[in-house]
Amino acid sequence: EVQLVQSGAEVKKPGESLKISCQDSGDSFTSHWIGWVRQMPGEGLEWMGIICPNDSDTRYSPTFQGQVTISADKSIGTAYLQWSRLRASDSAMYYCTKCGGGGICSDWGQGTLVTVSS
Amino acid sequence: QSALTQPRSVSGFPGQSVTISCTGSTSDVGGYDHVSWFQQYPGKAPTLLIFNVDKRPSGVPHRFSGSKSGNTASLTISGLQAEDEGDYYCSSYAGSLSLYVFGTGTEVTVL
Repeated sequence: EVQLVQSGAEVKKPGESLKISCQDSGDSFTSHWIGWVRQMPGEGLEWMGIICPNDSDTRYSPTFQGQVTISADKSIGTAYLQWSRLRASDSAMYYCTKCGGGGICSDWGQGTLVTVSS
Repeated sequence: QSALTQPRSVSGFPGQSVTISCTGSTSDVGGYDHVSWFQQYPGKAPTLLIFNVDKRPSGVPHRFSGSKSGNTASLTISGLQAEDEGDYYCSSYAGSLSLYVFGTGTEVTVL
């Protein structure tokens, strides 16, 4: 049963802004954390940050602090990942995942491919 | 914040056992029992195999097992099957400032 549904692939130019989404069709959105994970082409997984939709408590991995903004709207069960000014190096697949305490991330979205090219 | 160290690749024949190591430090693997393992097939999202070092979610075959000693966690696949080919990543909690960290990833090949 698919619970996390991400927005579709995006093609953007450097300097443009972008906001991608992750909608939870389950009934436990506010009792878990939503994490965002980056996977660059041919590379491994990287934790970007996590948010508690219930109170919007947000934590960022040091690498991504100040580079992206994570938010959530619990009224519609949706989390977001946004950039104010994209760079070519932001081209990657981005996954959202629903996690319980201790990083128990059992549900994953299908991924959103972001391509940044002039 | 450095990625946890995993071997780049491991391989084995069907039925054999393979073990993937995941080496960190006292700030992550050695400091917390929040180590998870994920399996990822090409072009697909990761799936959770192991959490809290050695716990299996329902539906994960018993041939997957996890353990930890000091700063190194391990994933063992017993009775290797063709469908086990893929990439495997460990992940550990690394404190409130560093959040979580993934391993470098290991490609498993069934010979």
